[in-house]
Amino acid sequence: NAGVTQTPKFQVLKTGQSMTLQCAQDMNHEYMSWYRQDPGMGLRLIHYSVGAGITDQGEVPNGYNVSRSTTEDFPLRLLSAAPSQTSVYFCASSSTGIRYTFGSGTRLTVV
Amino acid sequence: AQKVTQAQTEISVVEKEDVTLDCVYETRDTTYYLFWYKQPPSGELVFLIRRNSFDEQNEISGRYSWNFQKSTSSFNFTITASQVVDSAVYFCALSDPLSDSWGKFQFGAGTQVVVTP
Repeated sequence: NAGVTQTPKFQVLKTGQSMTLQCAQDMNHEYMSWYRQDPGMGLRLIHYSVGAGITDQGEVPNGYNVSRSTTEDFPLRLLSAAPSQTSVYFCASSSTGIRYTFGSGTRLTVV
Repeated sequence: AQKVTQAQTEISVVEKEDVTLDCVYETRDTTYYLFWYKQPPSGELVFLIRRNSFDEQNEISGRYSWNFQKSTSSFNFTITASQVVDSAVYFCALSDPLSDSWGKFQFGAGTQVVVTP
């Protein structure tokens, strides 16, 4: 049982480049979320999904897009990377919306 | 607005000492949920506990215990007889019943616990 798998683990982007952070879960969870973790600020919600085909914005959605075409996958797209998006990104999933299982994170640096 | 304050940035202890992590929260909701997560050096967040606002009973799980006091808006976490494997960043978080299912938590800034042999 792999749980929540995030790829890549590390990424360096140049300003203006786009990329997709991948998130997959094999637990058949309906709820999935993306967070960013910045020093001294805990985690902040970027986007979330309550099921396939349903997504919505969280606290800090600007500069990011998501889609949920399947229950298993919830990719996060950076449209035009900016240095302010340098952060650690976490994906999480839940079956009940109560207890979330987190991935191991993607450390992104934008130069 | 919701707010979670973890005033302790870092706590260093020697193995077998007890360590208490403070968490103070602010919310206007009468129903809410409080959480503790552990983030070990490997990076993933590990769920430790979820407590709803109507349940003020303290909880003990092995070497972990939680003290929820609504009167002081605090949800403190104690590790008894700490071990090196307890070294991690610990986050306190708050959510309300509506956003709880979205994964929308208000996280504190985290407390780094360092346990030395």
